[in-house]
Amino acid sequence: QKEVEQNSGPLSVPEGAIASLNCTYSDRVSQSFFWYRQYSGKSPELIMSIYSNGDKEDGRFTAQLNKASQYVSLLIRDSQPSDSATYLCAVVRRSNDYKLSFGAGTTVTVRA
Amino acid sequence: DVKVTQSSRYLVKRTGEKVFLECVQDMDHENMFWYRQDPGLGLRLIYFSYDVKMKEKGDIPEGYSVSREKKERFSLILESASTNQTSMYLCASYRTDNYGYTFGSGTRLTVV
Repeated sequence: QKEVEQNSGPLSVPEGAIASLNCTYSDRVSQSFFWYRQYSGKSPELIMSIYSNGDKEDGRFTAQLNKASQYVSLLIRDSQPSDSATYLCAVVRRSNDYKLSFGAGTTVTVRA
Repeated sequence: DVKVTQSSRYLVKRTGEKVFLECVQDMDHENMFWYRQDPGLGLRLIYFSYDVKMKEKGDIPEGYSVSREKKERFSLILESASTNQTSMYLCASYRTDNYGYTFGSGTRLTVV
């Protein structure tokens, strides 16, 4: 079983729609969760972090965490063509451990 | 903003060569990491370092070594380059009391 799994995609959504990205993780003691955005040919950039169960909103992005289900998601509201990228879910493996495990990524295309 | 600088964006090396990939960060981060990224496999951890002269193996250390003589610099060494080491290499740094990694711009290495 992979440590971090994402819905494989690719995901195509029309401009203005909501893009929903899902991620599950295998290590129950994981504490910290991140979403990175990676444009083609560029390095990943951090867009969201979440540490507690529930929702966290930042602009058009909402991260949701459910530790009991070992599930984290990212919603992109009012999707724009500039949101077209690969989104990487990342999980800190253990408390006091700063190694990130990454999912393989979900590629999102926003159609104008 | 934290800046993580990788010395080369593109490198072409021959099989059997010794290859040095350099990474420098300017914000006094304790933790530094080397990942490689391949299509469909996501980011995989090669080596990491929590402090000067300290190094630990990640998930795929075979064929690689690292050096951290100064806090700001973390070097990845391919002892004898092989074609299966053709990949995008990403350096990242992370401060213990901060959130998320900052990545360098990446080095795309081709071994011929």
